[in-house]
Amino acid sequence: EAQVTQNPRYLITVTGKKLTVTCSQNMNHEYMSWYRQDPGLGLRQIYYSMNVEVTDKGDVPEGYKVSRKEKRNFPLILESPSPNQTSLYFCASSSTSEDEQFFGPGTRLTVL
Amino acid sequence: GENVEQHPSTLSVQEGDSAVIKCTYSDSASNYFPWYKQELGKRPQLIIDIRSNVGEKKDQRIAVTLNKTAKHFSLHITETQPEDSAVYFCAASVGTGGFKTIFGAGTRLFVKA
Repeated sequence: EAQVTQNPRYLITVTGKKLTVTCSQNMNHEYMSWYRQDPGLGLRQIYYSMNVEVTDKGDVPEGYKVSRKEKRNFPLILESPSPNQTSLYFCASSSTSEDEQFFGPGTRLTVL
Repeated sequence: GENVEQHPSTLSVQEGDSAVIKCTYSDSASNYFPWYKQELGKRPQLIIDIRSNVGEKKDQRIAVTLNKTAKHFSLHITETQPEDSAVYFCAASVGTGGFKTIFGAGTRLFVKA
């Protein structure tokens, strides 16, 4: 089954404790992206990747890191999480940046 | 910077009526305009998209129109049904090569039975 998976689905952590949210897709998509969703603000792009070893900043990259060592995986890293990073995070993948994006199930992160 | 504005933020219609959601974008180089539907507690899913070389696209009860000169595009849902109730997001590809995606803030659609 073609899909995008994310783990964990829910995470409660404390300020400053490094964490990684994993994202994996099995559709051989070149383009992958991370978004955060906050009430009234829609989906805001954090980082995107055009292909392996090619990543770039979206609209709200501060406080986040990503890597794309393999085509299928695109982890999101929060080196020192802060409460303003409490949000719902979605990973997405598509053939190109101008094609349908397939979203993962979301990760709800709470930073205390 | 680039942005996408979406209106209205909330829309309530009677079952069977039409619903229209409008978006404007700022990047004249944008070429791809998708619409996503997000049901409560679910992930966004594409319902229709349009590219800059097309002015209108229709898929059963859903249609999208694009006016590149005015830099706005709209989603039209006809004969609305209760299952159309959801949050709808418009988006646009922006930047050199269209590598970034900017989403509108969303429209919460209520369809009253």
